[in-house]
Amino acid sequence: GAVVSQHPSRVICKSGTSVKIECRSLDFQATTMFWYRQFPKQSLMLMATSNEGSKATYEQGVEKDKFLINHASLTLSTLTVTSAHPEDSSFYICSARDEGLSGSASDTQYFGPGTRLTVL
Amino acid sequence: AQKVTQAQTEISVVEKEDVTLDCVYETRDTTYYLFWYKQPPSGELVFLIRRNSFDEQNEISGRYSWNFQKSTSSFNFTITASQVVDSAVYFCALSAPNTGFQKLVFGTGTRLLVSP
Repeated sequence: GAVVSQHPSRVICKSGTSVKIECRSLDFQATTMFWYRQFPKQSLMLMATSNEGSKATYEQGVEKDKFLINHASLTLSTLTVTSAHPEDSSFYICSARDEGLSGSASDTQYFGPGTRLTVL
Repeated sequence: AQKVTQAQTEISVVEKEDVTLDCVYETRDTTYYLFWYKQPPSGELVFLIRRNSFDEQNEISGRYSWNFQKSTSSFNFTITASQVVDSAVYFCALSAPNTGFQKLVFGTGTRLLVSP
């Protein structure tokens, strides 16, 4: 149980285009999902907390107009990188918080496989 | 504020050796959760364990064991008889009540290289 999928796994795009990344909790409902960014050989940096049915909460320094987050259902959150530029190239990872409804460990974040974004 | 320190940046061992990954945390809260995640080269973070602050019992799961000591604010992770497949980056993390136990504070990770 507690599987999180992320799509696409890899994307290469031209500068100026927008890229949408999907994060799905497959076997549990998640009112809260998280988006992280990870640079090579570094730890995860929390970008924002995605709340189902309400606005996302962004961490300090993260541009909300640049990284649009939508959490339209209890199993899906999307991150759209708008007008992507080479400096947005990174590994983006989502997680979903299992609040114990599925019977597995509660208050635990389960992570997706990540999306590697390369902006040319 | 909370903080998680993984002082070991990289550890190299030979297969079948035992290895311990250190994790030291800082928090003023009396209630908190501690976690370990594994990130293999594929990139996905794999959940290994969650421990709440009131449960100091050590835990063993196959070749993995965890030693939680509140007196030293440590939550160390030992792999017994390491295997090549254990090669990954391991992250220790903490969640606390000030964020509703929602946000994870990660350490910087320890890269484990297990050679044949």
